Amino acid sequence: NAGVTQTPKFRVLKTGQSMTLLCAQDMNHEYMYWYRQDPGMGLRLIHYSVGEGTTAKGEVPDGYNVSRLKKQNFLLGLESAAPSQTSVYFCASGSGGANTEAFFGQGTRLTVV
Amino acid sequence: AQKITQTQPGMFVQEKEAVTLDCTYDTSDPSYGLFWYKQPSSGEMIFLIYQGSYDQQNATEGRYSLNFQKARKSANLVISASQLGDSAMYFCAMRGHNFNKFYFGSGTKLNVKP
Repeated sequence: NAGVTQTPKFRVLKTGQSMTLLCAQDMNHEYMYWYRQDPGMGLRLIHYSVGEGTTAKGEVPDGYNVSRLKKQNFLLGLESAAPSQTSVYFCASGSGGANTEAFFGQGTRLTVV
Repeated sequence: AQKITQTQPGMFVQEKEAVTLDCTYDTSDPSYGLFWYKQPSSGEMIFLIYQGSYDQQNATEGRYSLNFQKARKSANLVISASQLGDSAMYFCAMRGHNFNKFYFGSGTKLNVKP
């Protein structure tokens, strides 16, 4: 019963490097989300997807790109990492409707030096 | 615009006592859901309780209850009989009917004292 799995769990990048965070869910959810968590700011939505092949911007999309080529996977890319992108990243998935909760991955701690 | 406000950055409660964590929200959606999540020091996000905007009764789940006051746009979490394991960060969240995005508050760090 895997739920939502994020890869990797930890990563250190140098400024200017690129990387991709992978999120995989096995619950057949239509909706998937990428959040970043910073102290005192809660979780802020980066990008989200309402179905395979769709993506949309959230509150803080700059510096990130996403893709959802398969329903079960949602990838978050950092093209040129900056120290301001040091954060904990969470992927979440959910089914449609306002009455169902989001299921979260375990988080990825990213440090950009 | 959707917004969730948690005004208590940190709170202390004595073990076995009840505690209320505040949450207010703002939305123009006619239908929405309100959620509380717990984040222990290990970092995972644990779903606790849900309240629908059209629900007439306040939601309860074990020691958790949600004090929902729609007119005041508040959805406070009440934890009864606090336990040491309740020490964690707690997030209030809202999901609108349109676009199905989840909006989170800034969180409240609860410390339960023995």
